[in-house]
Amino acid sequence: AQSVTQLDSQVPVFEEAPVELRCNYSSSVSVYLFWYVQYPNQGLQLLLKYLSGSTLVKGINGFEAEFNKSQTSFHLRKPSVHISDTAEYFCAVSEGNAGNMLTFGGGTRLMVKP
Amino acid sequence: DGGITQSPKYLFRKEGQNVTLSCEQNLNHDAMYWYRQDPGQGLRLIYYSQIVNDFQKGDIAEGYSVSREKKESFPLTVTSAQKNPTAFYLCASSRAAEAFFGQGTRLTVV
Repeated sequence: AQSVTQLDSQVPVFEEAPVELRCNYSSSVSVYLFWYVQYPNQGLQLLLKYLSGSTLVKGINGFEAEFNKSQTSFHLRKPSVHISDTAEYFCAVSEGNAGNMLTFGGGTRLMVKP
Repeated sequence: DGGITQSPKYLFRKEGQNVTLSCEQNLNHDAMYWYRQDPGQGLRLIYYSQIVNDFQKGDIAEGYSVSREKKESFPLTVTSAQKNPTAFYLCASSRAAEAFFGQGTRLTVV
């Protein structure tokens, strides 16, 4: 069975500083990997996804993530954050043989301070 | 615009009552899902359906029921058997390994 661990429940950072949100997964088969963002009282919006190909994936709002198969990680990064990036971020995994069902990590709250 | 519509946005339920949350999609997706989200926690899968007239239990199905009579619709009923139903409920649909989410329904037991 697949599982996802987001190592930090909260990440405080100052505006314009870089940030990395960590995600590790476990699975016995090949996986698809996703990062979603959730603003208060809203649904989830897809930031980026890794399905195959290049291990460096670029998404919306200046975010990027790198798939590292040997370390089973898919960390999310942004070189310079804005106040508007304050939100909850979820890492998710879908196994290739389990249809499209997603398993989510516990989420990381990114708090950008002025 | 194509998307997923959840209604209502806010719902209040008295203890002992059943309530039904609506989820409709016009994306022509085969697969649909219901997740529950509690404060400070991730999303937990309640039920999912990969085709019309078929659905499967997720990790926390007890106290919930669903139906999938039409491709576009996947309503969730929160029954009186659900001991702690206050939560944020998210519906999603997917195709080709990408999921799209509705805006959620916040259910509160009063």
